[in-house]
Amino acid sequence: QSALTQPASVSGSPGQSITISCTGASSDVGTYNYVSWYQQHPGKAPKLIIYDVTTRPSGVSNRFSASKSGNTASLTISGLQAEDEADYYCASYSSSSTLWVFGGGTMLTVL
Amino acid sequence: QLQLQESGPGLVKPSETLSLTCTVSGGSISNKDYYWDWIRQPPGKGLEWIGSIDYSGSTYYNPSLKSRVNISVDTSKNQFSLKLSSVTAADTAVYYCARQGDFLSGFCLDYWGQGTLVTVSS
Repeated sequence: QSALTQPASVSGSPGQSITISCTGASSDVGTYNYVSWYQQHPGKAPKLIIYDVTTRPSGVSNRFSASKSGNTASLTISGLQAEDEADYYCASYSSSSTLWVFGGGTMLTVL
Repeated sequence: QLQLQESGPGLVKPSETLSLTCTVSGGSISNKDYYWDWIRQPPGKGLEWIGSIDYSGSTYYNPSLKSRVNISVDTSKNQFSLKLSSVTAADTAVYYCARQGDFLSGFCLDYWGQGTLVTVSS
């Protein structure tokens, strides 16, 4: 069981927007602004798309945005494209005994 | 452009020690702003953080693996390594190395290796 809770799957049609939630605890998401999001296509390494809750690395599309409220972080993908179909993972710094906690991953299907 | 590359045996026998090395190119592993991490992903499952090391050799481990894990760094070769002892089938996974920023530079895993599949089987 992952420390951060994500929905197993979400789906949307091209052009639509979807949001993926990531729920943690006061020892991680709720207290620290060190939430990051990763996109993983099948057979590939994860790719960083958001860090420090809302910051997009250089080169990442501005269709990706993120936020946090309380113990829940969220990733929004607007203007869905076929290439967005992938698994998405959230991660956070944790003040508990482990430095990093990950979500279980969300499979995004573009219909 | 920073690149990371994992290397090591793809097959390890149960009870033996898994050993992997990550070679960093396009940047120095001695940069004080970064840590160097190992993450794994069992087939069809999610990501699990294994541990981190900095240029000086300070380490941080996942408590669930701490008794079996050792991460070391060789700055002269720009490499860091993972050893996981007493492996079982549950340790079968794709193992990734990655660069981790610190709290000032951005706490995230911003560069990843391509990953290497390690199977534990007799």
